[in-house]
Amino acid sequence: GQSLEQPSEVTAVEGAIVQINCTYQTSGFYGLSWYQQHDGGAPTFLSYNALDGLEETGRFSSFLSRSDSYGYLLLQELQMKDSASYFCAVSPRTHSNYQLIWGAGTKLIIKP
Amino acid sequence: DVKVTQSSRYLVKRTGEKVFLECVQDMDHENMFWYRQDPGLGLRLIYFSYDVKMKEKGDIPEGYSVSREKKERFSLILESASTNQTSMYLCASSLRGSEQFFGPGTRLTVL
Repeated sequence: GQSLEQPSEVTAVEGAIVQINCTYQTSGFYGLSWYQQHDGGAPTFLSYNALDGLEETGRFSSFLSRSDSYGYLLLQELQMKDSASYFCAVSPRTHSNYQLIWGAGTKLIIKP
Repeated sequence: DVKVTQSSRYLVKRTGEKVFLECVQDMDHENMFWYRQDPGLGLRLIYFSYDVKMKEKGDIPEGYSVSREKKERFSLILESASTNQTSMYLCASSLRGSEQFFGPGTRLTVL
């Protein structure tokens, strides 16, 4: 089957840097996406990696290594508003290219 | 900005009732999705649609059906609600594969 593994919870300090990892088992996929979801809110798109390497968008960066079946989301200069759940998701080649398979999510707790 | 709206934020129904959840998007997206979200399980795809009147089963379609008569509207139907269908239901739409835009969600409680 296809699955994605993420830590269930990560704790970090305001102003610090945190990395949320995502490892996956899938036969092939189009790309790796990251979404943010605040408590009580809807998931919102953060980033997409179609190719290996680092994609940077402001304080957030996302990385993909297909050879290692691994990706991560890097959050820098953490702010209290970054407290949320973060989901990785892949678009498997075995599915139509608009379907996503989701990880269970990582709850990021930020302490002052 | 893409806007995806869902008919209710909170809904309470009784076992055996037929339940309709409505979703509307205003950006002319071809693809629409229904997910349910439960703690520790992430988002699980119930059904999706890539065009009017077209639908495909997701990972957990049992107990659900869908309808897409117009491009902007995608309805999720629980034919006979059961307590194990108590969950948060999220609708999403997309134009391309990766970026999905979500509605605010409907928290359904089945008593």
